[in-house]
Amino acid sequence: GEDVEQSLFLSVREGDSSVINCTYTDSSSTYLYWYKQEPGAGLQLLTYIFSNMDMKQDQRLTVLLNKKDKHLSLRIADTQTGDSAIYFCAETRTGFQKLVFGTGTRLLVSP
Amino acid sequence: SQTIHQWPATLVQPVGSPLSLECTVEGTSNPNLYWYRQAAGRGLQLLFYSVGIGQISSEVPQNLSASRPQDRQFILSSKKLLLSDSGFYLCAYRDRGYNEQFFGPGTRLTVL
Repeated sequence: GEDVEQSLFLSVREGDSSVINCTYTDSSSTYLYWYKQEPGAGLQLLTYIFSNMDMKQDQRLTVLLNKKDKHLSLRIADTQTGDSAIYFCAETRTGFQKLVFGTGTRLLVSP
Repeated sequence: SQTIHQWPATLVQPVGSPLSLECTVEGTSNPNLYWYRQAAGRGLQLLFYSVGIGQISSEVPQNLSASRPQDRQFILSSKKLLLSDSGFYLCAYRDRGYNEQFFGPGTRLTVL
């Protein structure tokens, strides 16, 4: 079955790096996504990675994928207070219509 | 450019009343459309998705229904709301041939 898990909470200081982790169970997962949700708002797509890649970098964001261990991580360099939000990972398979989301990790960045 | 709208932004309804939430997408044709619910402090649960006009797939049995009367319009409805229907409802779309799914701003529904 499909299952995506994340730790619930992460607290870091401004300027540090944040690493948010995600594990999934479906070995057929093709695309893996990271979304950001600020309070009271919808989800903002940050980045996604295809399963044949092991790393993707986009400015301050680095996504690492360990397909063998079914582990996905999002690293935010130089974390800012504006990065405080809930971060969701999600996965899907080619030809499937839906995303399966994790429960979200609440990132708190303190000055 | 594409945009996705939802209304209303917030809604407070009594138990047993009907519900209609609307989602529209601009700047695209024949998208896949989705309704999700996010309960307080929880992740997202897919409720319905649609691959075309009049085509609705339901993911979980519930008190809600969905309709797609036009290509870029997706409606979430209920005949009689329950307390457990409270939550944050998010509409999303995905363009055919692309991998990204984009979300609307959401509707906060409180059933009293």
